[in-house]
Amino acid sequence: EDQVTQSPEALRLQEGESSSLNCSYTVSGLRGLFWYRQDPGKGPEFLFTLYSAGEEKEKERLKATLTKKESFLHITAPKPEDSATYLCAVQGRLAGYALNFGKGTSLLVTP
Amino acid sequence: NAGVTQTPKFQVLKTGQSMTLQCAQDMNHNSMYWYRQDPGMGLRLIYYSASEGTTDKGEVPNGYNVSRLNKREFSLRLESAAPSQTSVYFCASSEVGSADTQYFGPGTRLTVL
Repeated sequence: EDQVTQSPEALRLQEGESSSLNCSYTVSGLRGLFWYRQDPGKGPEFLFTLYSAGEEKEKERLKATLTKKESFLHITAPKPEDSATYLCAVQGRLAGYALNFGKGTSLLVTP
Repeated sequence: NAGVTQTPKFQVLKTGQSMTLQCAQDMNHNSMYWYRQDPGMGLRLIYYSASEGTTDKGEVPNGYNVSRLNKREFSLRLESAAPSQTSVYFCASSEVGSADTQYFGPGTRLTVL
């Protein structure tokens, strides 16, 4: 069974204090690993898709990386507007079309 | 370009009542999905439609039915609502199903009393 574990559950950073969020996964043949951002009361907003170990993608202050067992979402010099819950999901070859989501990391960036 | 839209935004039901959640996408996507999100749990797939005319069960299908009305629209029906179905429901769509990014709607917050 595919499993996704995100850590930490919650993270509080000062503005400008860089850090990383972790997504550990076990999957029967990875089709894709997805990162989303979710603001309170809103739907998940797509950030990145990674397909194979060694792949990296960047967008503004965010950079996602992928190994065979985990993915990291690096946040460089965060701003208060980066505060949100970050969700990681995997799609495995045996899971059909389903995404298997972690419980998320709640990030708070204070001025 | 609205992406994925959902109606209603909020709904309160009494136990045993029925209702239909509506979802539409304007991205010409082939695949559509219904998820539920509960506190302390990740998003869980209820049903999906790989293409127009097909539907399949996800992880938590009990108590729900779906209809893929056309390529744009995918509805979720609760025939006899139960308090355990209190949740936030999200619709999503993707161009194809395999390894393709799913784009989510804004959600419907449902409370069953």
